[in-house]
Amino acid sequence: DIQMTQSPSSLSASVGDRVTITCRASQSISSYLNWYQQKPGKAPKLLIYAASSLQSGVPSRFSGSGSGTDFTLTISSLQPEDFATYYCQQSYSTPSTFGQGTRLEIK
Amino acid sequence: QVQLQESGPGLVKPSGTLSLTCAVSGGSISSSNWWSWIRQPPGKGLEWIGEIYHSGSTNYNPSLKSRVTISVDKSKNQFSLKLSSVTAADTAVYYCARNGIAVAGSRWFDPWGQGTLVTVSS
Repeated sequence: DIQMTQSPSSLSASVGDRVTITCRASQSISSYLNWYQQKPGKAPKLLIYAASSLQSGVPSRFSGSGSGTDFTLTISSLQPEDFATYYCQQSYSTPSTFGQGTRLEIK
Repeated sequence: QVQLQESGPGLVKPSGTLSLTCAVSGGSISSSNWWSWIRQPPGKGLEWIGEIYHSGSTNYNPSLKSRVTISVDKSKNQFSLKLSSVTAADTAVYYCARNGIAVAGSRWFDPWGQGTLVTVSS
């Protein structure tokens, strides 16, 4: 299985900050990397697919980049509703695997 | 817009079989999408269980393959999950989700059902 490692595991930031979350794959996955946001008690929500494509309805302050083994999710200006847990997921091979999550907290 | 809703028992006895159904509304299960089951133990991360196409083709996570069966009922526009020989380690919130359009690398998940907690306990 391809291992997905996110860093940091948790992050404290303030409204208006620019935040970057990193996801590293244990082998090359081309651009087959997706990002999700999950709030407590809710299902994950797709933010970015294929490394850099913004899902319809997702605010443009979210962006993704990377290819191969290293990927980033950037939130350009944090809003109060962005405090949540973020997961990356590879769709390159079976089984699909997720990172362990990055918990974004209010400073 | 497509909506998914999981249903099934919230409590299963150890060594029993977990059975869940995902009802699809606002769209057809015979569309050009695969359909997945994903689970999340309390306080932990996400694990992909497996997927099905409307033709009945399936792919499973090898870690669960010996215990998992996913099936589709096109007449009811729904798909189902069975997980046998369950233990406490199978306690989790179980989600159903739609994959992206069926092309290589499109196994991203949107939308998701709200999830249902299944507890394995005697």
